[in-house]
Amino acid sequence: DAGITQSPRHKVTETGTPVTLRCHQTENHRYMYWYRQDPGHGLRLIHYSYGVKDTDKGEVSDGYSVSRSKTEDFLLTLESATSSQTSVYFCAISESRGTEQFFGPGTRLTVL
Amino acid sequence: GENVEQHPSTLSVQEGDSAVIKCTYSDSASNYFPWYKQELGKRPQLIIDIRSNVGEKKDQRIAVTLNKTAKHFSLHITETQPEDSAVYFCAASPKWTGGFKTIFGAGTRLFVKA
Repeated sequence: DAGITQSPRHKVTETGTPVTLRCHQTENHRYMYWYRQDPGHGLRLIHYSYGVKDTDKGEVSDGYSVSRSKTEDFLLTLESATSSQTSVYFCAISESRGTEQFFGPGTRLTVL
Repeated sequence: GENVEQHPSTLSVQEGDSAVIKCTYSDSASNYFPWYKQELGKRPQLIIDIRSNVGEKKDQRIAVTLNKTAKHFSLHITETQPEDSAVYFCAASPKWTGGFKTIFGAGTRLFVKA
């Protein structure tokens, strides 16, 4: 597996609380992505980054924000978690645009 | 925007048989079509991909075909084995996004019965 880690791997939180998920890579890849995976929906892009401090929205960005202050770290923040954000979150990296993406191990988030 | 539909949602085959998963896409400008395999509890991993200037690509027991006119592409697995049991996702990368956005299908759960 490519050098990608996610933390935490599991989290249970309550509605209305802020949550931050971290993606860390050791591959020095420029492009990083956050997806959520839900039954029947495949993987849906939340936000992506094309460089330090360069980010943009994906398909399902409402309620999420991201930051990338270093090449190796990409943070996903749920400002005020809702039950609809209960999901498995995957981080991915790629060396170039439109090429293979390498996925992290995922974070299972439950919002009660 | 791009929309990717994948069929069937579930597929059960006997070991040794072939399995075919089909996907359609809506944006004719899409130019990159990867396939990912996700085993239970694991991360998705690329198994094969194809670009719009190629009609077919093979890698051992797996192959992908692309029909740009009809806007559909298919994954073919021959001589299936129990370890092929997993969820398979097709995806398309619209050219207008500069390759930043990959739109995934909903997935096909493949069961290979021994």
